[in-house]
Amino acid sequence: GQQLNQSPQSMFIQEGEDVSMNCTSSSIFNTWLWYKQDPGEGPVLLIALYKAGELTSNGRLTAQFGITRKDSFLNISASIPSDVGIYFCAGYRTGTASKLTFGTGTRLQVTL
Amino acid sequence: KAGVTQTPRYLIKTRGQQVTLSCSPISGHRSVSWYQQTPGQGLQFLFEYFSETQRNKGNFPGRFSGRQFSNSRSEMNVSTLELGDSALYLCASSLGAGGPNEQYFGPGTRLTVT
Repeated sequence: GQQLNQSPQSMFIQEGEDVSMNCTSSSIFNTWLWYKQDPGEGPVLLIALYKAGELTSNGRLTAQFGITRKDSFLNISASIPSDVGIYFCAGYRTGTASKLTFGTGTRLQVTL
Repeated sequence: KAGVTQTPRYLIKTRGQQVTLSCSPISGHRSVSWYQQTPGQGLQFLFEYFSETQRNKGNFPGRFSGRQFSNSRSEMNVSTLELGDSALYLCASSLGAGGPNEQYFGPGTRLTVT
């Protein structure tokens, strides 16, 4: 099945550092969602984006809906150990009911 | 508000058997979607139900089926289990009525087929 390209695949960072990850697609999406998944749990919704160019924050997290509508970006500022996990982007295209297409995931590990 | 609940959380089955997984959406949500998550394929969409009707279907064989009840609770069934069906099965609920498509996931059911 289709997956969105997410990069980087994984990253090791030190506590306090900022993190950036992105998600790209060959198709246009109308909604971009960012999720975080901890081991053995379901993904938790972090941020939802609805308009091209939109910039939305949730605490230390900031996400942007790319102008071309084919990409999205997530930044985490001043990372802390509990930021560890896998981050997924997901895109939704009008006319596909509630079907989300997910990215390949970015595994984040934070060292003290 | 209670979140999405899934039962059971863990399941071990043998090849050839069938299995039924259950999902209760967030109160007021009418859409339930099911996803399969494996290390190799990532999160793949199985199907979505809205108002007891299947509204969308992914590229999975007919062994995978589902249904939704009038209270929006949903079940998915996998018949004639294969080793490759071992995965984390996630359900997600959303309002589903054409509004913002924010989906909220349950904790998943970990299915192991031996």
